[in-house]
Amino acid sequence: GDSVTQMEGPVTLSEEAFLTINCTYTATGYPSLFWYVQYPGEGLQLLLKATKADDKGSNKGFEATYRKETTSFHLEKGSVQVSDSAVYFCALTGNQFYFGTGTSLTVIP
Amino acid sequence: EAGVAQSPRYKIIEKRQSVAFWCNPISGHATLYWYQQILGQGPKLLIQFQNNGVVDDSQLPKDRFSAERLKGVDSTLKIQPAKLEDSAVYLCASSLSDKNTEAFFGQGTRLTVV
Repeated sequence: GDSVTQMEGPVTLSEEAFLTINCTYTATGYPSLFWYVQYPGEGLQLLLKATKADDKGSNKGFEATYRKETTSFHLEKGSVQVSDSAVYFCALTGNQFYFGTGTSLTVIP
Repeated sequence: EAGVAQSPRYKIIEKRQSVAFWCNPISGHATLYWYQQILGQGPKLLIQFQNNGVVDDSQLPKDRFSAERLKGVDSTLKIQPAKLEDSAVYLCASSLSDKNTEAFFGQGTRLTVV
C-alpha cells in the first residue's frame, strides 16, 4: 500500500544553517505530495505541496521537488531561523492521506 | 474563511469512561478525516468520510471507537470505553475532495485517559 518514510530526528541546527529533511514514498498511481508543519502547541499547517512529477513546491524559504524517478520529496531550506523550530511531516495523498512519522527540528541561535 | 473547528480542546477522563469529540469542517468540503496522533508519532488515519459515507475505516478500533457524519457536515468521534492507550491528540481535517487535494486541520483535541 501507499506509505511515506521520512528521516528520523531530532535534528538540531544553528541559525542560518542549511536544512534537508529526507522523504521517500511508495504509491500506486500519481499521488500529490505535501509537507506539513506543526509548531509547538499548534495544529498541522500545510507548508508546501506538489501535485505532479518535477513540480517544485515552495513557501517561507522552504522548497521540495517531486522526484518520480527517485520517489522522493526532500524538504530544504538554505538558511534556517529559530522560528523554524517545529515538527515537519511529509505526506502523500491519492485516495487518502498518509503521513510520515515526523521530524523534529530545533534551531539554536 | 473559517477553519476546521474542533471541541473540546482538552479532555481528561478515567479509563472505561466514554468520551465524544466534535468537528465542524470547512464549508463545502466533502471529505472529512479523523486522525489519532500519539505523542512523538505521525497522525494515523482512523476514518475518512466522503460526504456522509465512510470511505475508509480500516484502522478504526470498531470495538470501542465509532464515528458518524450526519448530513455530510459535522462529525462526532466517540470512544467507549476508553483505555489508557487511547491518550493522544485527535485531529479532524477536511478537504474539498478525496483526490489529491490538501487537507486542512483543526487544532485537535488532546485526550488524557487516567
